[in-house]
Amino acid sequence: AQSVTQLDSHVSVSEGTPVLLRCNYSSSYSPSLFWYVQHPNKGLQLLLKYTSAATLVKGINGFEAEFKKSETSFHLTKPSAHMSDAAEYFCVLANQAGTALIFGKGTTLSVSS
Amino acid sequence: DGGITQSPKYLFRKEGQNVTLSCEQNLNHDAMYWYRQDPGQGLRLIYYSQIVNDFQKGDIAEGYSVSREKKESFPLTVTSAQKNPTAFYLCASSISGRAGQETQYFGPGTRLLVL
Repeated sequence: AQSVTQLDSHVSVSEGTPVLLRCNYSSSYSPSLFWYVQHPNKGLQLLLKYTSAATLVKGINGFEAEFKKSETSFHLTKPSAHMSDAAEYFCVLANQAGTALIFGKGTTLSVSS
Repeated sequence: DGGITQSPKYLFRKEGQNVTLSCEQNLNHDAMYWYRQDPGQGLRLIYYSQIVNDFQKGDIAEGYSVSREKKESFPLTVTSAQKNPTAFYLCASSISGRAGQETQYFGPGTRLLVL
């Protein structure tokens, strides 16, 4: 079965410190993986996507993620958090048919000054 | 401006009532999707459509219905059979429905509450 697990429901960091949001996936096929961000009461916006090209993927707003097949992980990182990064982040896997997305349960990132 | 609009922003439903959520896009995308979001649950797919006059059930289609008569419109009806409709509903679209390759663009959402 295909699934996505976000290992932390809530992460808190101070402004200017690194961000790490962890995601593991399970699939029997070569996965396409995404990170989306949702600010309060808003729709979702794509941060970055992995589709079997380079394993280190750079996204918007300084975020990046590394695909590690041996660890079945796709963790999201940012070197220095900004107050505007406070939001909910979703790790997402495309289903095997490529017709739909499977969402993790989300990680809420809080950034304090 | 190109994008996805959802209306209303808030919707109240009485017991036994059907309500319809609107989703319109002017991105010229073929594929459209409806998701339900509950706190701590992530997003779950209700229905999707890859072409006009065709749609497929997602993981939680029971109690919902959709239509796709026009490319730009994909309304969702929450029927009285949906016993727990309180949630945040998100509509999305993508160019052709290849979820593994394409970006999905999301609307701002409709929050449905039961009176």
